[in-house]
Amino acid sequence: GAGVSQSPRYKVAKRGQDVALRCDPISGHVSLFWYQQALGQGPEFLTYFQNEAQLDKSGLPSDRFFAERPEGSVSTLKIQRTQQEDSAVYLCASSLAVEGETQYFGPGTRLLVL
Amino acid sequence: SQQGEEDPQALSIQEGENATMNCSYKTSINNLQWYRQNSGRGLVHLILIRSNEREKHSGRLRVTLDTSKKSSSLLITASRAADTASYFCATALINDYKLSFGAGTTVTVRA
Repeated sequence: GAGVSQSPRYKVAKRGQDVALRCDPISGHVSLFWYQQALGQGPEFLTYFQNEAQLDKSGLPSDRFFAERPEGSVSTLKIQRTQQEDSAVYLCASSLAVEGETQYFGPGTRLLVL
Repeated sequence: SQQGEEDPQALSIQEGENATMNCSYKTSINNLQWYRQNSGRGLVHLILIRSNEREKHSGRLRVTLDTSKKSSSLLITASRAADTASYFCATALINDYKLSFGAGTTVTVRA
């Protein structure tokens, strides 16, 4: 019974570099979420997938952020031309249901942009 | 923007004491959830309470929900050092899927 896994756990990027963050949800979970957590704050919603369809990307802070889930399982969050303000923990969560039910979170990827 | 606000921001208690934290929110909800986050780790789901429920228990945890006041409380009884963590409330709106989190309460349990 593996939980949600994320890789890498830590990423240091130089400003302007592109990064890709991976999320492996719990097998069979329909819903997948990405959240961004700044230091000392609660997670903020970025985007939501139902299977392979990206139904909501209203939380993505800019067009430098892009997420995909092509086969309805693994998801990748890509950040192009990283900026210092992108430094945060990026959390992935998955859920069996589609509406507001329990979400299971991965350990997160801590991104530091220098 | 964050819908929920936890109070207090930080709490320090002696092992064995009870810890109570509160969450207030702004709009009608489907359910409210509490999560725990240990330093440097992901969030762990603790308990979910639906809008038509008033109280729920899970082990040493007791959650109440008052929809008329748009508030919830989390009580941890007989605290242990392992309860040291940040606690977040998260609201799920009706016909929505994402969670809106508060800024959290940091709980320190002293041995």
